[in-house]
Amino acid sequence: QKEVEQNSGPLSVPEGAIASLNCTYSDRGSQSFFWYRQYSGKSPELIMFIYSNGDKEDGRFTAQLNKASQYVSLLIRDSQPSDSATYLCAVNLASGSARQLTFGSGTQLTVLP
Amino acid sequence: DAGVTQSPTHLIKTRGQQVTLRCSPKSGHDTVSWYQQALGQGPQFIFQYYEEEERQRGNFPDRFSGHQFPNYSSELNVNALLLGDSALYLCASSSTPSQPQHFGDGTRLSIL
Repeated sequence: QKEVEQNSGPLSVPEGAIASLNCTYSDRGSQSFFWYRQYSGKSPELIMFIYSNGDKEDGRFTAQLNKASQYVSLLIRDSQPSDSATYLCAVNLASGSARQLTFGSGTQLTVLP
Repeated sequence: DAGVTQSPTHLIKTRGQQVTLRCSPKSGHDTVSWYQQALGQGPQFIFQYYEEEERQRGNFPDRFSGHQFPNYSSELNVNALLLGDSALYLCASSSTPSQPQHFGDGTRLSIL
């Protein structure tokens, strides 16, 4: 079992719709959860992070965390073609003072005009 | 405010050679982590440096080594290059080991 799993997609949504991206993780000791956006040929860009159960909203983005179910999701409201990218879920596996990010393989999102 | 900077942007090497990649963290950041990203995969953690020491290491062989300097910049060294080392190498910095990490543009390494 992979430590962090994401549906690889591709996920296609029409412009203006809500895109829902999901991620599960295996380590119950995980403490921090991150969503990165990666455009083709570019490096990952941090768009959201969440530490506590519940929802965290930032503009059109909402991160949701359920530690009991070991599940984290990202909702993108009013999706735009510029949101088309690969979305990487990352989990912080705490080990002493260091913080190692473990990534899923990413979900490719396409927003259709 | 300069973000994370990496050099070089691209590099072509042959099997058996050695390579050094460089990273300057974002202003105010003192922690540097290195990742390897193969095509179509998520980044894989190589190691993290904080206070000039390697604090944690991922599942990479000893051919991969690093260093952090007093100004917080860092180097990644890879010896005895293999074809499988071809990847995008990413440097990420954070203000402390537990804070969110921000990535540089990466170095694309091709092994012939």
